[in-house]
Amino acid sequence: AQTVTQSQPEMSVQEAETVTLSCTYDTSESDYYLFWYKQPPSRQMILVIRQEAYKQQNATENRFSVNFQKAAKSFSLKISDSQLGDAAMYFCAYRRALANDYKLSFGAGTTVTVRA
Amino acid sequence: DVKVTQSSRYLVKRTGEKVFLECVQDMDHENMFWYRQDPGLGLRLIYFSYDVKMKEKGDIPEGYSVSREKKERFSLILESASTNQTSMYLCASSAGQGALGSGANVLTFGAGSRLTVL
Repeated sequence: AQTVTQSQPEMSVQEAETVTLSCTYDTSESDYYLFWYKQPPSRQMILVIRQEAYKQQNATENRFSVNFQKAAKSFSLKISDSQLGDAAMYFCAYRRALANDYKLSFGAGTTVTVRA
Repeated sequence: DVKVTQSSRYLVKRTGEKVFLECVQDMDHENMFWYRQDPGLGLRLIYFSYDVKMKEKGDIPEGYSVSREKKERFSLILESASTNQTSMYLCASSAGQGALGSGANVLTFGAGSRLTVL
């Protein structure tokens, strides 16, 4: 399995502030997909944002944006203007861009706490 | 609204019991997956299936088996439950190769089944 590393078990952020979650991965592939998933306390995992490795432009989704550094194999998530509803566990995930290979490898997760 | 439904949210079983975890999706997805989630380890892939009656081992298949007799249903089976299988189990599905660009990449998850083996 591909290795995905999230070095921050927990992060805390003040409401309306910005927090950045780190993710590094190990691969010998040149093309792949990267994801951030969010798991709120209710446990239903949902997709936050995705990035195709062949795209140089960093993906953004409203208050969520990524900093994709392909050479460094780094894929960080920035949450801007943090809201109480952002409190969750966040998982970074990787998938090879091969036909008929749909498996995702996940990191250990980062728990984000938002302080009111 | 698309859904992945896991039949049991919480289960308590005894060592040696046979355990069935059921997962049903209503999105006509080809791909289905079983992951287990443990603190500090994230999600680890147990088994996956890309088609009916097809199954492949993931990273930690030992002690588990699966069944996919119908496209919408993917069952995880613990033949003889052990205490080290106490965990949160997550089912997920995704569209297959014929899906529009992003569809094949996005996993839709169920709410999870927390299994405790005593």
